[in-house]
Order: sequence, then C-alpha cells, then structure tokens
Amino acid sequence: TQLLEQSPQFLSIQEGENLTVYCNSSSVFSSLQWYRQEPGEGPVLLVTVVTGGEVKKLKRLTFQFGDARKDSSLHITAAQPGDTGLYLCAGATLHAGGTSYGKLTFGQGTILTVHP
Amino acid sequence: DTEVTQTPKHLVMGMTNKKSLKCEQHMGHRAMYWYKQKAKKPPELMFVYSYEKLSINESVPSRFSPECPNSSLLNLHLHALQPEDSALYLCASSWITMKEDTEAFFGQGTRLTVV
Repeated sequence: TQLLEQSPQFLSIQEGENLTVYCNSSSVFSSLQWYRQEPGEGPVLLVTVVTGGEVKKLKRLTFQFGDARKDSSLHITAAQPGDTGLYLCAGATLHAGGTSYGKLTFGQGTILTVHP
Repeated sequence: DTEVTQTPKHLVMGMTNKKSLKCEQHMGHRAMYWYKQKAKKPPELMFVYSYEKLSINESVPSRFSPECPNSSLLNLHLHALQPEDSALYLCASSWITMKEDTEAFFGQGTRLTVV
C-alpha cells in the first residue's frame, strides 16, 4: 500500500509569514498533485509535478518534486487570509499497460489558517 | 467547459430511504470516480469507472451502488445507509492516457447527512 505522509497537519500563522508543507513517501509516484479545498467544496487542483527535481511557481506558491519522485513540498510566501484552507497532496501511479488514471493516493492534509 | 457538476449539493435522508447522487462532466474524460470525505480528512476512493465500466471497487458496502449510464454521467445510488455514512461525496473525472501527468478534476461534492 502506498502512503503519503503530509506535515504539518495544522498550521496557524499571521498574514505575511512564509510557510512550507511537506509530503513524503517511501513509494515512487509518476506524478504528484497539490489541491486546495475550502469547507464544503471539492478540492481544486493547484499544480501537477511530474519530473524529479521539478520546481513550479504559481504566484506566491512554489511547488517542488523531489529528485527521486517520492516527496514534494509546497512553499507559500507572504501568506494571506485568502490562502486559508485544506491543502492536500496526492500521488498518482501508472497502472498495468502504462495507462494513467486520476486514481490518487492522498496525504492526510494540512489545515492552514492565516490570521489577518 | 472544465467543470464537474454534482447534484444535489446537500442531501438529508433517513436510513430506510433510497436516493441517488448525480455527477456530470463534458470534458470528454473517460475515467470517473467516487470519493468519500469525512470532515478534515482526505478523500477516500470508493469506485473508478473507465470507459463506462467499473474497474475499481475499493471494498465499498453494497448499500452504495454506482452506475455509469454514459461517458458523461456517473450516479451513486444509496439505500439503507447508516449515520456513519454521513460525509461529503466527491465525484471526479480524468483522461485515461499514457502520460504521467493525468490530473483529476473534482466536483463541489454532495454533503450527505443520514438521520
């Protein structure tokens, strides 16, 4: 069974601070996706990282995929109250025949609260 | 159109009721999924349909019965549920490809309460 360990589980910070969320596994994933979810809503895809060592930036968010494709991190610079939400990392694997589904293994999630 | 639409948004049902959750996408995705999510927990996979056929059932109790009438629609039929089945039910869809960056797109979910 593939597992993704996400940390920290809870993060409460002041507006303007920086933060990093980590996602680690002993398994290799073909890709890793980061989602943000607000209460009562579905997860919204932020980014997908595929290549080992890859770094992607989305405004104040920086995503990194480890060289061995087993871990990833999300760094937020100068957090704002609008960043508040549940952040989920999810790993995807190729299936028999090499096809890729959206069948995902999720980390436990990080509940981020940014106070004004 | 990049949306996955789920109806209803909220549902309250008794333990003897029969109800259905509906999901629709028009992105041409040929894989569709049902996930269950408890509060402050990650989504848990229930079912996967590929090319309108059930390909994965994650040992879900038979009181949950999925159906995929066509490539755009996915239903989840509910019967004799228990209060512990109360959760956010999420539908998702994706391409089926040979690429490694296949992404899943989620609907807004149906908040189900079993009384």
